[in-house]
Amino acid sequence: GENVEQHPSTLSVQEGDSAVIKCTYSDSASNYFPWYKQELGKRPQLIIDIRSNVGEKKDQRIAVTLNKTAKHFSLHITETQPEDSAVYFCAFQDHRGGGADGLTFGKGTHLIIQP
Amino acid sequence: DGGITQSPKYLFRKEGQNVTLSCEQNLNHDAMYWYRQDPGQGLRLIYYSQIVNDFQKGDIAEGYSVSREKKESFPLTVTSAQKNPTAFYLCASSTRLAGGGDTQYFGPGTRLTVL
Repeated sequence: GENVEQHPSTLSVQEGDSAVIKCTYSDSASNYFPWYKQELGKRPQLIIDIRSNVGEKKDQRIAVTLNKTAKHFSLHITETQPEDSAVYFCAFQDHRGGGADGLTFGKGTHLIIQP
Repeated sequence: DGGITQSPKYLFRKEGQNVTLSCEQNLNHDAMYWYRQDPGQGLRLIYYSQIVNDFQKGDIAEGYSVSREKKESFPLTVTSAQKNPTAFYLCASSTRLAGGGDTQYFGPGTRLTVL
């Protein structure tokens, strides 16, 4: 089946520095790429998403870039804060048929913000 | 995502028993999904439903069954045929856009433990 590789699995950065997480996907027909943040024991929360008609999207300190030719997309967090510490998942929407298909998730990146 | 509820929060099952996990949403979403999350892993798609009285298998459907008799409800049954059912189960829902790219909102999850 389709899959997505996510790197790194763990990322430790100093508070105030930037963090970058990268994902590479296999389904060339994908057109929707969300990023979720999950705190320990909680549900995943959407933080930003991008659709294939744009190459970059920004929301305050968070940005996502997409390179469809290379089939990879990245999450950028600037001016990191302690509350950014969590596990981050990239995902893409498969095309199994119909308009509402499931997501394929990466294995996650544990982001640690060092004070 | 506050409009999606799952019950129970914790569930313990003996080997050989079937159990049913509840998922309800009041967001008027057409599509609903079930994912499984194992420790340190991403989410994997079990089943999804794009409309009432219709559902499709995801990547790991073996040992699970679902029904979609009402728009707001999508229960998941974990059968005795599921060899390793201990996991965190997450339900999600979304609108159903013709071109895809519909945001999925997650419920709080059910943590199932097989004794």
